[in-house]
Amino acid sequence: DAGITQSPRHKVTETGTPVTLRCHQTENHRYMYWYRQDPGHGLRLIHYSYGVKDTDKGEVSDGYSVSRSKTEDFLLTLESATSSQTSVYFCAISESSGELFFGEGSRLTVL
Amino acid sequence: SQQGEEDPQALSIQEGENATMNCSYKTSINNLQWYRQNSGRGLVHLILIRSNEREKHSGRLRVTLDTSKKSSSLLITASRAADTASYFCATDPGTGGFKTIFGAGTRLFVKA
Repeated sequence: DAGITQSPRHKVTETGTPVTLRCHQTENHRYMYWYRQDPGHGLRLIHYSYGVKDTDKGEVSDGYSVSRSKTEDFLLTLESATSSQTSVYFCAISESSGELFFGEGSRLTVL
Repeated sequence: SQQGEEDPQALSIQEGENATMNCSYKTSINNLQWYRQNSGRGLVHLILIRSNEREKHSGRLRVTLDTSKKSSSLLITASRAADTASYFCATDPGTGGFKTIFGAGTRLFVKA
């Protein structure tokens, strides 16, 4: 299994609070991604990174920010969580082949 | 909006039967991939087929790609109960940065 760790795995928070999800990899892969998964929508790309401090927006980036200060860590921040951000968040990594390796997911509930 | 859309949304078959799932996409691609997701787990890569390939095999999996129709199919032969999962197609549109885009998935249930 690819060395990808997401934390926390489960979180319940209240509307308006900040939330940070962490993705840590031990594979030294260049690309890192954050997806959210909701019923009926499959996985939607939030942000991705193509190197340290190099990030770009995905399909559903509004309300989210990311940072990558080290190759191994990719942080997803919800500055002010809303109920619409209740979801399961997946981190993924890849090299140039395009094949993605996924973490186990972080289930976020915003009350 | 999703690039890939799977059909059917759900499929229930008996163990030993073949399962076929289809994927259609909208724009040109570099490659198309299929992933499996067991309940409550992350996605696992199954197979990647490049835009210049028409068919690819991996064990009991057979993937076809028709770029003229912008469609792909995943065939699982001799299904097992352990194949019960959701299956997703994913496309790399080739716009740079490997922004792989996923479809909504097909839920496969294999009855023992």
